[in-house]
Amino acid sequence: EDQVTQSPEALRLQEGESSSLNCSYTVSGLRGLFWYRQDPGKGPEFLFTLYSAGEEKEKERLKATLTKKESFLHITAPKPEDSATYLCAGQGGSEKLVFGKGTKLTVNP
Amino acid sequence: DTAVSQTPKYLVTQMGNDKSIKCEQNLGHDTMYWYKQDSKKFLKIMFSYNNKELIINETVPNRFSPKSPDKAHLNLHINSLELGDSAVYFCASSLWGSINYGYTFGSGTRLTVV
Repeated sequence: EDQVTQSPEALRLQEGESSSLNCSYTVSGLRGLFWYRQDPGKGPEFLFTLYSAGEEKEKERLKATLTKKESFLHITAPKPEDSATYLCAGQGGSEKLVFGKGTKLTVNP
Repeated sequence: DTAVSQTPKYLVTQMGNDKSIKCEQNLGHDTMYWYKQDSKKFLKIMFSYNNKELIINETVPNRFSPKSPDKAHLNLHINSLELGDSAVYFCASSLWGSINYGYTFGSGTRLTVV
């Protein structure tokens, strides 16, 4: 069965303190590895799709990378508005998008 | 314009009642999904429809019945509600076979069974 595991469950950073979130996956026939952002009371918002090992994508202070077993979401010099839950998901041959439990990021000013 | 809209946003009901949640998308997508997010924020797929055809049907109690009248609408009907059904239910949509932009999610329906 496809599985996605995220760590840590929660992360507190000071504004400007860079860090990384981890997503390890076992997804049969991986077609894409996704990162989403979810704010309280809202639905997940798409950030990135990664397709193959070695691929990197960037958006503002976020950079996502992919290896054959893991993906990382690097946050450079975060701001309080980056506070949210970040979700990782994998899509394989079954067409289902399987989510991890998320990392709740809090950035203190 | 809201891309994926769900109604109602909040639903409080008693055990044993039957309720429906509606979802509509205006993105021209052909595939729609229902996800359940439990109290621990874990998102789990329930159903998926592609062009009105059921393609994913996870292990979900048969009290839950999805219906897709057309590819822009996907409704979820729940019979004999139980306390454990309390959760946030998200509708999502995508273009079948195209994963460039992932799924687009609605803002969720918070169901509370008392």
